[in-house]
Amino acid sequence: DAKTTQPPSMDCAEGRAANLPCNHSTISGNEYVYWYRQIHSQGPQYIIHGLKNNETNEMASLIITEDRKSSTLILPHATLRDTAVYYCIVRGYGGATNKLIFGTGTLLAVQP
Amino acid sequence: GAGVSQSPRYKVAKRGQDVALRCDPISGHVSLFWYQQALGQGPEFLTYFQNEAQLDKSGLPSDRFFAERPEGSVSTLKIQRTQQEDSAVYLCASSSIAGGPVDEQFFGPGTRLTVL
Repeated sequence: DAKTTQPPSMDCAEGRAANLPCNHSTISGNEYVYWYRQIHSQGPQYIIHGLKNNETNEMASLIITEDRKSSTLILPHATLRDTAVYYCIVRGYGGATNKLIFGTGTLLAVQP
Repeated sequence: GAGVSQSPRYKVAKRGQDVALRCDPISGHVSLFWYQQALGQGPEFLTYFQNEAQLDKSGLPSDRFFAERPEGSVSTLKIQRTQQEDSAVYLCASSSIAGGPVDEQFFGPGTRLTVL
């Protein structure tokens, strides 16, 4: 599975959009981009995933560049409860396991 | 509740003791994963079950670590002769499918193990 690079930390004002970048320059054609987040003292929580098209759900939007070498997770109106570590994960499928390979993620601090 | 549960939530062990950590996945979920999370790090994969079959144990750090899921539901992670470097949060996750690209893993709250 391809490696990802994320900034270690970011700040965002409450009510504003939070844009979290991720670089995955070695991604291959059958690998998906997943985002999970982990609020302090909780297990990780799935947010969204995509292959090459932009995706949106009730939690966030995922923008993937045309060359698929980077992506951005967008939280449109960040709240204090969105303060968490956000993990960008690139993963293929079809093997014996669908294990997730986490990096160190981005600590998003939403400020009041 | 409908989520993944783990017990105990906290465990303190003396070095050399054996510990057993339990995971109750979401009912009916086929896939079950164990991860280890050291302080300040992201979770690291330990092992994977599809029903009762342990299909991947490549992440288990040593032969002191053993996991089982005998009836394809509840799973237990056992650590023998614990050492200080085993101190971490142990996370369990389950998924309703086996394989395929659309695979949302649901995580439990974890068990924080401290080895003195």
